Amino acid sequence: AQSVTQLDSHVSVSEGTPVLLRCNYSSSYSPSLFWYVQHPNKGLQLLLKYTSAATLVKGINGFEAEFKKSETSFHLTKPSAHMSDAAEYFCVVRVWGSARQLTFGSGTQLTVLP
Amino acid sequence: GAGVSQTPSNKVTEKGKYVELRCDPISGHTALYWYRQSLGQGPEFLIYFQGTGAADDSGLPNDRFFAVRPEGSVSTLKIQRTERGDSAVYLCASSLGSSGGNTGELFFGEGSRLTVL
Repeated sequence: AQSVTQLDSHVSVSEGTPVLLRCNYSSSYSPSLFWYVQHPNKGLQLLLKYTSAATLVKGINGFEAEFKKSETSFHLTKPSAHMSDAAEYFCVVRVWGSARQLTFGSGTQLTVLP
Repeated sequence: GAGVSQTPSNKVTEKGKYVELRCDPISGHTALYWYRQSLGQGPEFLIYFQGTGAADDSGLPNDRFFAVRPEGSVSTLKIQRTERGDSAVYLCASSLGSSGGNTGELFFGEGSRLTVL
């Protein structure tokens, strides 16, 4: 079985400072990992994905994440936060061939202070 | 349309009533998923369709929940005898195939917010 644990339910940063959203995964097989973002009253949007290619993955809006197998982590980072980054972020795992497709973490609410 | 469309966007009903939620996936996407997102939680899997058939319905919480996709495109999630605990946002997603193409990416609609009074 696969699962993800998002270590922080809330993260607050000042505009212009770095963002770090932490995620650890558990999977019996080689996983695909994703970060999705959800703005209020909007659908989930894919930020980036890891599918066993390069371990450092770049996504939209300046976000990136690094797959670290030894640490079973897939933390999301951004060098400089923008007010528009305020949203809920979900770390997601998928095991290849799984009909259930995606298993979501419980989410991290990012607040960006002016 | 360009994206996954869900209707209604909001539904308020009384306990014990019957509810239908509709999902119109991206054209050409053969796989369709329903998830439920309760307040403060991540989405939880309900059911997955590949074409017209339900390939995995193990996430449906009980027999009050049922979903169909008769022509392999639009899907309807049906909830009978609604309970207050059914209140949540119901999300629909679609993808190119059972493996989501080469990426496993699912495309989500904006959801239907169900409130049971």
